[in-house]
Amino acid sequence: GNSVTQMEGPVTLSEEAFLTINCTYTATGYPSLFWYVQYPGEGLQLLLKATKADDKGSNKGFEATYRKETTSFHLEKGSVQVSDSAVYFCALSPSGNTPLVFGKGTRLSVIA
Amino acid sequence: EAGVTQFPSHSVIEKGQTVTLRCDPISGHDNLYWYRRVMGKEIKFLLHFVKESKQDESGMPNNRFLAERTGGTYSTLKVQPAELEDSGVYFCASSQRSVGGGSPLHFGNGTRLTVT
Repeated sequence: GNSVTQMEGPVTLSEEAFLTINCTYTATGYPSLFWYVQYPGEGLQLLLKATKADDKGSNKGFEATYRKETTSFHLEKGSVQVSDSAVYFCALSPSGNTPLVFGKGTRLSVIA
Repeated sequence: EAGVTQFPSHSVIEKGQTVTLRCDPISGHDNLYWYRRVMGKEIKFLLHFVKESKQDESGMPNNRFLAERTGGTYSTLKVQPAELEDSGVYFCASSQRSVGGGSPLHFGNGTRLTVT
């Protein structure tokens, strides 16, 4: 079946530190991959996406590259800010009209 | 444009009671999804409406859950009778086209349900 595995949190970093949140997936076919972010008190927002192998999604300084050979979509940011504190969800959309499959989420806390 | 709105934001009920959650999608979005996140676990799909029709309800846990979308606008999710394991955050999301078609999901802030 389809599944997403994220690194366990919480992750606590100092401001300007480098961030990596690991995400690997299992899927049939060629899924699209997403990172969603949930800021405190808000709903989930799409952060970035990639729809085919070797695509790189990027937004707000975050990047993730669709690696088919390692079935991964790790989220990275070179220098985190306090405002990046949130819960990050990796997700996949299997090919066809099937619903998103989410990981468990990783809580990130950035301290000044 | 107004985003996806959910009501209530929080609900605390006793086991055996009934609760109805409401979701107003973004105007013009035919696709409406319900998801649930139990504490510390994945966000799990519950069901998908296209307009007023249930496209996929494979994620509905059991027959205590009833979802409707009369007229293809807002949707309700009723839990009757509620059990302790129903506690969690219920998210609603909408999109113009289906997710498989590459259309992004717009999420509401969620309803936090606590069953005691």
